[in-house]
Amino acid sequence: AQKVTQAQTEISVVEKEDVTLDCVYETRDTTYYLFWYKQPPSGELVFLIRRNSFDEQNEISGRYSWNFQKSTSSFNFTITASQVVDSAVYFCALSDGNAGKSTFGDGTTLTVKP
Amino acid sequence: NAGVTQTPKFQVLKTGQSMTLQCAQDMNHEYMSWYRQDPGMGLRLIHYSVGAGITDQGEVPNGYNVSRSTTEDFPLRLLSAAPSQTSVYFCASSYTPGSYEQYFGPGTRLTVT
Repeated sequence: AQKVTQAQTEISVVEKEDVTLDCVYETRDTTYYLFWYKQPPSGELVFLIRRNSFDEQNEISGRYSWNFQKSTSSFNFTITASQVVDSAVYFCALSDGNAGKSTFGDGTTLTVKP
Repeated sequence: NAGVTQTPKFQVLKTGQSMTLQCAQDMNHEYMSWYRQDPGMGLRLIHYSVGAGITDQGEVPNGYNVSRSTTEDFPLRLLSAAPSQTSVYFCASSYTPGSYEQYFGPGTRLTVT
């Protein structure tokens, strides 16, 4: 069975602070895919990044960066110099490589104060 | 492209009523899925489909039926609504099962009284 744990329920930071959102996963599959999605207050779900289990390269995209470590089953997400517009619920998700069943974490609510 | 569309956006049902939530995508995606989102929780998979004519159960399938007669459409049927089914429902689609990101519809907010 797959499981995704986002231990941080809520995080509050002041604008321009760096913030890291943690994600720990469990799976027995050797091939799997990890995702981060953002849900702003308007309610839609927006895809941010995808990683497969064979690619442990970290990635930076603007103010966003992701750290994937198979040894600790973690896929953490860092926002550098946070902005008020980053306020949202962030979900980490795990998908198997065959049937495509996805498991989402419970989400981390990030509030960035001006 | 309209992407993933869902209707209705809001719905109020009485306990015991049935209804169908509509979902359509115009991206020729193989994979489609239905999730429910309850307050403070992540998305939980209800049913999914890897192609027309093929459906399977997710984590919380009880009380819901699906069918996939075409690539584009994936309706979700509530057989006999219960207050526990009050939730926000999201439909999603993906190019292939699992390996690609999912595109989500805007959601349907359902209240069962």
